[in-house]
Amino acid sequence: NAGVTQTPKFQVLKTGQSMTLQCAQDMNHEYMSWYRQDPGMGLRLIHYSVGAGITDQGEVPNGYNVSRSTTEDFPLRLLSAAPSQTSVYFCASSRSGGKSKAYTEAFFGQGTRLTVV
Amino acid sequence: EDKVVQSPLSLVVHEGDTVTLNCSYEVTNFRSLLWYKQEKKAPTFLFMLTSSGIEKKSGRLSSILDKKELFSILNITATQTGDSAVYLCAVFYGQNFVFGPGTRLSVLP
Repeated sequence: NAGVTQTPKFQVLKTGQSMTLQCAQDMNHEYMSWYRQDPGMGLRLIHYSVGAGITDQGEVPNGYNVSRSTTEDFPLRLLSAAPSQTSVYFCASSRSGGKSKAYTEAFFGQGTRLTVV
Repeated sequence: EDKVVQSPLSLVVHEGDTVTLNCSYEVTNFRSLLWYKQEKKAPTFLFMLTSSGIEKKSGRLSSILDKKELFSILNITATQTGDSAVYLCAVFYGQNFVFGPGTRLSVLP
């Protein structure tokens, strides 16, 4: 029962490099999202998707791109890494809760600790 | 601006104490409020609340929502060292989850 799988767990980048954080879920969840977590600031939403082919920006989208070509996968791309993007990144997924159209609780991946030097 | 506020931000207690963590919110199109526990890695789900006044309980943890006053509390009775963690409150509104900054609870033996 894999749930939400994120790779890599750790990454060090040089300023200006690009990379993709991978996220995959095997629960057939419609909703997927990316957060960054910085000390004292909780989890801040970067981008989210309510289904394949649909993505939208969250609170802090600048410097990041996403795509959702399949239900299972939701990669996060850093276009040109900056030290301000040093953070822990979490991917999460949820499914529709039925009549209320509210989503159920978010299931989280184990996180990626990214350092940009 | 939509937001979620938690208090206190940090709390130190001794084993056996009872603690109350607070979460207040201001969002449009509220759908649900969720509590998570975060130890060293990913947050783990505790409760989801959608209706006012209905207490949810799991062992020594309980939570209740007041949609009129826009807040929720998380109670932990007879705390144990294993309860030491950051407790996150999140609100689902529209199509998004917004998280509070968390309350860091430290339980001393």
